[in-house]
Amino acid sequence: EAEVAQSPRYKITEKSQAVAFWCDPISGHATLYWYRQILGQGPELLVQFQDESVVDDSQLPKDRFSAERLKGVDSTLKIQPAELGDSAMYLCASSLDMGDSQETQYFGPGTRLLVL
Amino acid sequence: GEDVEQSLFLSVREGDSSVINCTYTDSSSTYLYWYKQEPGAGLQLLTYIFSNMDMKQDQRLTVLLNKKDKHLSLRIADTQTGDSAIYFCAETGLRTDKLIFGTGTRLQVFP
Repeated sequence: EAEVAQSPRYKITEKSQAVAFWCDPISGHATLYWYRQILGQGPELLVQFQDESVVDDSQLPKDRFSAERLKGVDSTLKIQPAELGDSAMYLCASSLDMGDSQETQYFGPGTRLLVL
Repeated sequence: GEDVEQSLFLSVREGDSSVINCTYTDSSSTYLYWYKQEPGAGLQLLTYIFSNMDMKQDQRLTVLLNKKDKHLSLRIADTQTGDSAIYFCAETGLRTDKLIFGTGTRLQVFP
């Protein structure tokens, strides 16, 4: 069964360092999402891609976070510099297409980030 | 703005039914979802319901939607220890696929 892949699964870093997370969506899925899930809360959308284009990054802290999906397939989320408050689970999801709210989003296992 | 609320914790005995509740504020919600998250894992879609429906059943899962009160519930029949997890309800609005999640309900099943 096709799955969303993410790496690394766990990352420990010191504040002010740079970190990067990688996501490979299900093959053929045009839409890719990055969510942040703080412990004890539900996931919140950071950025949404349709193919290689960003369609929603209104909740992305752009002073330190960046995301790209250069070839419209896999994606990288970067934080530079990391802050203590960035400690969270970063979830990637993909769906077949955008705009139809019935399209199921499939989630990867997540990357758990701890900033010391 | 949109807001989705859930109770934080539910404890049930194995074999009993579990009912997890959710309230939302966005009256334009078109689809409402239930996701399951096991410890340290991503989210698994359990089921969803379209806003013009009031009930959907899928094996042990029953979803009830009261659109007037903006209330959604998930009933798990014959709850098993493997059902222990955090359950999130989520909604999407009109002409958007952006998911708005609740805070999650931790279900604990004891023997």
